[in-house]
Amino acid sequence: DQQVKQNSPSLSVQEGRISILNCDYTNSMFDYFLWYKKYPAEGPTFLISISSIKDKNEDGRFTVFLNKSAKHLSLHIVPSQPGDSAVYFCAAKSYNQGGKLIFGQGTELSVKP
Amino acid sequence: NAGVMQNPRHLVRRRGQEARLRCSPMKGHSHVYWYRQLPEEGLKFMVYLQKENIIDESGMPKERFSAEFPKEGPSILRIQQVVRGDSAAYFCASSPQTGNRRTEAFFGQGTRLTVV
Repeated sequence: DQQVKQNSPSLSVQEGRISILNCDYTNSMFDYFLWYKKYPAEGPTFLISISSIKDKNEDGRFTVFLNKSAKHLSLHIVPSQPGDSAVYFCAAKSYNQGGKLIFGQGTELSVKP
Repeated sequence: NAGVMQNPRHLVRRRGQEARLRCSPMKGHSHVYWYRQLPEEGLKFMVYLQKENIIDESGMPKERFSAEFPKEGPSILRIQQVVRGDSAAYFCASSPQTGNRRTEAFFGQGTRLTVV
């Protein structure tokens, strides 16, 4: 039962272009969504989040969009940089389950110079 | 302010032995979560603890796995009689106790368990 899905295992983008990472969810109880970035042999690092009462949140080069009716969110990185190359995980939590996070499978982003 | 500290970073155990993974949360954080990442998969929730309490263990295998977060000291994830399928990266995360649930959890660097 995969409640959070990232259907693209990998994405390759040219430096300077936009990277768009997608995430779909099935549980309508989710009310808070997060993106984490992970380098090999390290723990996930928090990147950006969005509450279900919003449809957009922006932090520098990173913007997260939420479409509640479609149960879909996306992370935009612009402009992409080689240092952005990592695995990106989408995660969600619901108001009645404390801080428990449900993660997607991850998308490996490769930004080529 | 030190981050979430996990040790050991790497742990090798023979089948049938016990594995103990330790996690010290960030200063001021009283909520601890354990996640497991199997090869080629995302992180799977295992257990959520507060000091001296297990809040949610819905992701813990029914046998051989246990977790605690004592009043003093780190949180411990214990795996008894390890099998090859337990080989994975185990991540601990912590978050502050706050009435606002919209806080992110901070992760440690993980313990990579290899069962031989």
